[in-house]
Amino acid sequence: EAGVAQSPRYKIIEKRQSVAFWCNPISGHATLYWYQQILGQGPKLLIQFQNNGVVDDSQLPKDRFSAERLKGVDSTLKIQPAKLEDSAVYLCASSLDRINEQFFGPGTRLTVL
Amino acid sequence: KNEVEQSPQNLTAQEGEFITINCSYSVGISALHWLQQHPGGGIVSLFMLSSGKKKHGRLIATINIQEKHSSLHITASHPRDSAVYICAVVGMDSNYQLIWGAGTKLIIKP
Repeated sequence: EAGVAQSPRYKIIEKRQSVAFWCNPISGHATLYWYQQILGQGPKLLIQFQNNGVVDDSQLPKDRFSAERLKGVDSTLKIQPAKLEDSAVYLCASSLDRINEQFFGPGTRLTVL
Repeated sequence: KNEVEQSPQNLTAQEGEFITINCSYSVGISALHWLQQHPGGGIVSLFMLSSGKKKHGRLIATINIQEKHSSLHITASHPRDSAVYICAVVGMDSNYQLIWGAGTKLIIKP
C-alpha cells in the first residue's frame, strides 16, 4: 500500500513570494490533515478535511494561507505572500476516518529567506 | 501546564540498553499514539493504543488509562533508534484531533 505522498520535499523562497504544496493521501482515506512543524516544536494542525469539506481550520492564518481538497482526494496548501516565520516543515497526514490512526507523509521543508 | 507531558526531554544511552520514555496526560482520551521522527524526516506512527500493551519487534507500548500514563520501551537499543519520539493523544473533546507532547530526543551511541 502506497503511503502519503508530498511534493516538493524542499522549497526555498524569498519573503513575499508564493508557494504551493501538494499532498496525495492514502487511497480511500477520507480525512486529510495539514500540519506546520517549526524547528524544535511539535506539529500544529493547520486544517483538517473530511472528504472535500473543511472540519477545522481554526489555526490556519487565512490572510495568507489557503488549502483545498476539491475532489476529496489530493490537496494543496498555498502560502501567499510568505513571511520569514513560515519557515517550517509542512506535514500532510491522512486517516480512514477522523477516529482512525493518522499516517504521515515525508513533509515539505520550506525555507523563507 | 501542557495537556501531554513527556519525560525525559532528552535521553542518551549506549547501544544495547533498555530504553523507557514516559507520557502523562491530563485530558480524557479515546486513544494514544506513539510516533517517531528522524532528523529532517517525516513522522512514522509506531503505535495507536487505547488499553493494555502492544508490541512490535523491539518496541513495546503500554498504557494505564486510570493513571493517565503511557510508556514506550525499546529493548536492545541500536543507533538507528536515534530519533525524536512523540506521544500524542486523541482528546475526547478535541474533535478527535491529536494533542501533541513535546517529544523526547533519543540518541543511542554505538
